[in-house]
Amino acid sequence: AQSVSQHNHHVILSEAASLELGCNYSYGGTVNLFWYVQYPGQHLQLLLKYFSGDPLVKGIKGFEAEFIKSKFSFNLRKPSVQWSDTAEYFCAVNAPYGGSQGNLIFGKGTKLSVKP
Amino acid sequence: DTGVSQNPRHKITKRGQNVTFRCDPISEHNRLYWYRQTLGQGPEFLTYFQNEAQLEKSRLLSDRFSAERPKGSFSTLEIQRTEQGDSAMYLCASSFLRVDEQFFGPGTRLTVL
Repeated sequence: AQSVSQHNHHVILSEAASLELGCNYSYGGTVNLFWYVQYPGQHLQLLLKYFSGDPLVKGIKGFEAEFIKSKFSFNLRKPSVQWSDTAEYFCAVNAPYGGSQGNLIFGKGTKLSVKP
Repeated sequence: DTGVSQNPRHKITKRGQNVTFRCDPISEHNRLYWYRQTLGQGPEFLTYFQNEAQLEKSRLLSDRFSAERPKGSFSTLEIQRTEQGDSAMYLCASSFLRVDEQFFGPGTRLTVL
């Protein structure tokens, strides 16, 4: 069965610090990869996605993620965080040609707190 | 485009009661998904529809749960004989293509007393 692991449960950073959130998935076939963000009191929003092509993808608000197939990883990065990045971040995967028929498998999430 | 909407936003019920939630997807989206999220966890897939057909159900969806999408537009999720373990946020999402981005609604938070 597919699974997604997010290694950090809660990350606390000061403004302007660099961010890297880890995400690993378990599935040997073709995958689509996503990072979603949930700001306090708001619904899940897509931050970025990878389907194919350049493994370094750029998303909204200065976020980027790198797909490393050999490591089954899709880590999220941002060079300099802001207080407004305080949110919960979820990594998700689907296997478009597998048995899941497109539903997303989510990690448990990483809560990011940015101190002003 | 008003996004995915869900009603009600909050529901408090007593154990043993039935509850029904509604999801209105983005209008041109033919795929609709239901997820459940509990504290400290990511969303977990429950079921999905392509148009009016329910194509997949998770093992999490016990026989007390039923979902419908009668005309391929809005969907309802009913939980019969609620249990305290059903307390969670129920999320609806929609997408246009099978592998496309899923757009999430605000969720319905269910509390079973």
